[in-house]
Amino acid sequence: DARVTQTPRHKVTEMGQEVTMRCQPILGHNTVFWYRQTMMQGLELLAYFRNRAPLDDSGMPKDRFSAEMPDATLATLKIQPSEPRDSAVYFCASGLGQGVLETQYFGPGTRLLVL
Amino acid sequence: GQQLNQSPQSMFIQEGEDVSMNCTSSSIFNTWLWYKQDPGEGPVLLIALYKAGELTSNGRLTAQFGITRKDSFLNISASIPSDVGIYFCAGRRPGGYNKLIFGAGTRLAVHP
Repeated sequence: DARVTQTPRHKVTEMGQEVTMRCQPILGHNTVFWYRQTMMQGLELLAYFRNRAPLDDSGMPKDRFSAEMPDATLATLKIQPSEPRDSAVYFCASGLGQGVLETQYFGPGTRLLVL
Repeated sequence: GQQLNQSPQSMFIQEGEDVSMNCTSSSIFNTWLWYKQDPGEGPVLLIALYKAGELTSNGRLTAQFGITRKDSFLNISASIPSDVGIYFCAGRRPGGYNKLIFGAGTRLAVHP
């Protein structure tokens, strides 16, 4: 049963600390998305990769957030320094890159609390 | 913020009842997706729609891609307690590569 995996599932940290979230996309998928979910804003796209190349990170605060794909099996989202307003659930999703026919499959999320 | 209007925001129904929810947009979409999110989990894809007027079923779920391409509907027939969760619509605009825009969600509660 192929699934997107994310680690950690939960993270509590103090303001100013670095946070790294990891995602393993479904094997064979070549698109990866990072979303943030909050009660106020719902699901927001932060970054999008295709074939490990970043294609859109316009939704991501550039000064503190960074997203990378060191290899095809790992995507990372880093926040440095973290702030209380970054508290949210961060989801990774992957897809087959089929254009308009593509569907995105979500991981279980990382629940981040910044104190 | 959201560019899709999803309604209703929440529903509380009796087991066995049918459920309807919808999403509307001021601009056209070329794909509509419906997801369900259980507590503590990520959204799970229920139904994908790719053509205006398309009607697709998945068990007790039926979704339609509106003929104007600006709306979509999800119906759940004969609801059961495990239908509880948050249902999200998501749409993809022409020229929007793979970017999905999500509705705010419909929170469904089913009373046994």
